[in-house]
Amino acid sequence: DQQVKQNSPSLSVQEGRISILNCDYTNSMFDYFLWYKKYPAEGPTFLISISSIKDKNEDGRFTVFLNKSAKHLSLHIVPSQPGDSAVYFCAASGQGAQKLVFGQGTRLTINP
Amino acid sequence: GAVVSQHPSRVICKSGTSVKIECRSLDFQATTMFWYRQFPKQSLMLMATSNEGSKATYEQGVEKDKFLINHASLTLSTLTVTSAHPEDSSFYICSARDTSGTDTQYFGPGTRLTVL
Repeated sequence: DQQVKQNSPSLSVQEGRISILNCDYTNSMFDYFLWYKKYPAEGPTFLISISSIKDKNEDGRFTVFLNKSAKHLSLHIVPSQPGDSAVYFCAASGQGAQKLVFGQGTRLTINP
Repeated sequence: GAVVSQHPSRVICKSGTSVKIECRSLDFQATTMFWYRQFPKQSLMLMATSNEGSKATYEQGVEKDKFLINHASLTLSTLTVTSAHPEDSSFYICSARDTSGTDTQYFGPGTRLTVL
């Protein structure tokens, strides 16, 4: 039972344009969501998070949007840069629960 | 941001030996740390939750006698793979939960284990 899903295994975007990565979840008890970026043979790097009491959180080029009714969140990167090429994981945790549930990841490639 | 280190970054060992991996939170205290395993081209699989001063909580299907976890201090958790076999070869990643701020998990750089 995949509680957190990233349905796009890969995404290619031209440098300077907007990258939009999507994530869906099924567990309505999730109330904290995070995005991580991962390079091969390295640990994930925390990017940005959002609590369920918000619908948007912005940090520099990264913005996360949360649509609770649709159980959907998205990460917007603008403008996209070559260094953004990596695998992006969304993750969720539930009320009082400590552990994260990860999506399968989306490989983002930024083309020059 | 918060820093988590892992040591060693890469280890090669013979089948039947035990390997210890250390995870340290360098600039914050972590009462809870997590151990993950990642197979090639797959997501992170949570193996266990390590709680300072108490026994670890293992996920279903993870052998607690094979993957020994010790969380003796607020900044250090260790994972020992006992009697390692080639199928234990994988990328092991730890994370530490920073409860002082946003309750975010920060990950270590990972350890590549190869069992010959």
